[in-house]
Amino acid sequence: GEDVEQSLFLSVREGDSSVINCTYTDSSSTYLYWYKQEPGAGLQLLTYIFSNMDMKQDQRLTVLLNKKDKHLSLRIADTQTGDSAIYFCAESGAGNQFYFGTGTSLTVIP
Amino acid sequence: GAVVSQHPSWVICKSGTSVKIECRSLDFQATTMFWYRQFPKQSLMLMATSNEGSKATYEQGVEKDKFLINHASLTLSTLTVTSAHPEDSSFYICSAEFGRETQYFGPGTRLLVL
Repeated sequence: GEDVEQSLFLSVREGDSSVINCTYTDSSSTYLYWYKQEPGAGLQLLTYIFSNMDMKQDQRLTVLLNKKDKHLSLRIADTQTGDSAIYFCAESGAGNQFYFGTGTSLTVIP
Repeated sequence: GAVVSQHPSWVICKSGTSVKIECRSLDFQATTMFWYRQFPKQSLMLMATSNEGSKATYEQGVEKDKFLINHASLTLSTLTVTSAHPEDSSFYICSAEFGRETQYFGPGTRLLVL
């Protein structure tokens, strides 16, 4: 599979912005995704971006894509305690298989 | 939105037994489903791609005789862990393809092999 990497941990104070970064290797990726996983639960799709876009905003979420550097980021504005979770980026391959990053554990400090 | 279910959500079994996990797309048809495995505090690893009516495609390093996949209908794929051993204990998650741009994930099945 492809390599998708993320930093493992991020801590922010409630009300601040969080930025979670992701790098990938597959230059043929068509879509890139962000998923949220709360403890003991499955995956929740947060947002996705088509590879010909460089930004997508959805309420508190902003996705930035630098295709040249193969870098994807997720910015969460006004981070709340309920945002504490593990965030996975994923890219889809030619057969629509998903390859996930290592996950970033976000801790929001009240 | 589209819903994918998995059954069972929890299973505990003795070493050497086989366990079947079901993945269903509840309100849409899915030609393709995927099976993932997640170890504690680790990422999801794609195990195999399940196509309705044909043999599954396994990722490198995944034993096809150990993890049997059957995609008999457009709404059901099953994963059978044969002769389970403690190292097979994991969180298994399926997903169903919904259009080109997304997959919907099931809630996962926790398998504990004693």
